[in-house]
Amino acid sequence: DTGVSQDPRHKITKRGQNVTFRCDPISEHNRLYWYRQTLGQGPEFLTYFQNEAQLEKSRLLSDRFSAERPKGSFSTLEIQRTEQGDSAMYLCASLMRGEHGYTFGSGTRLTVV
Amino acid sequence: DQQVKQNSPSLSVQEGRISILNCDYTNSMFDYFLWYKKYPAEGPTFLISISSIKDKNEDGRFTVFLNKSAKHLSLHIVPSQPGDSAVYFCAASKYSGAGSYQLTFGKGTKLSVIP
Repeated sequence: DTGVSQDPRHKITKRGQNVTFRCDPISEHNRLYWYRQTLGQGPEFLTYFQNEAQLEKSRLLSDRFSAERPKGSFSTLEIQRTEQGDSAMYLCASLMRGEHGYTFGSGTRLTVV
Repeated sequence: DQQVKQNSPSLSVQEGRISILNCDYTNSMFDYFLWYKKYPAEGPTFLISISSIKDKNEDGRFTVFLNKSAKHLSLHIVPSQPGDSAVYFCAASKYSGAGSYQLTFGKGTKLSVIP
């Protein structure tokens, strides 16, 4: 296992289109997080999964955003009807139970034009 | 409100000297603190952490100091090397009540180590 993988690395989309990102966490980590980072800011929490259950969602996660983690393995984050304000780096991280230090993936850079 | 603050957006240090990065927090419920390092176009990489019951943790060239009464922590890098040039994020952790620890990040400090 080489760490947390995210796909794609970059995505350019037109405003109003839907996009979907994928995250493959470290296999033995049952906790998975999505964060968003915009220019000049630190990563901000979006949502959290424990196994397949989505247990927390930030108020940043509008109803255009949906995340899933079927079977408690990989996760997807979908953004519907993208807006220019959605342009950001979307980071996925995983964590083993009892630990504090997340392992982050390389992120997906979304540009909405 | 920003619960984790890194008030210095950037820092330049000569190679071989000490780099000191500072971080302040406001929420007393934070019980674990972490530093992450981030290169452009990559995700943050965990560097070092400290529990709130300790005041110092050391790992090679990196030392983190925690002053709970002042709600302040700092990361010391000695000696600084050009490869240390990156953005450093301070993060604070608290139990989220849903079975995990949620991290809150500062805005980062860009460290430049000059050869």
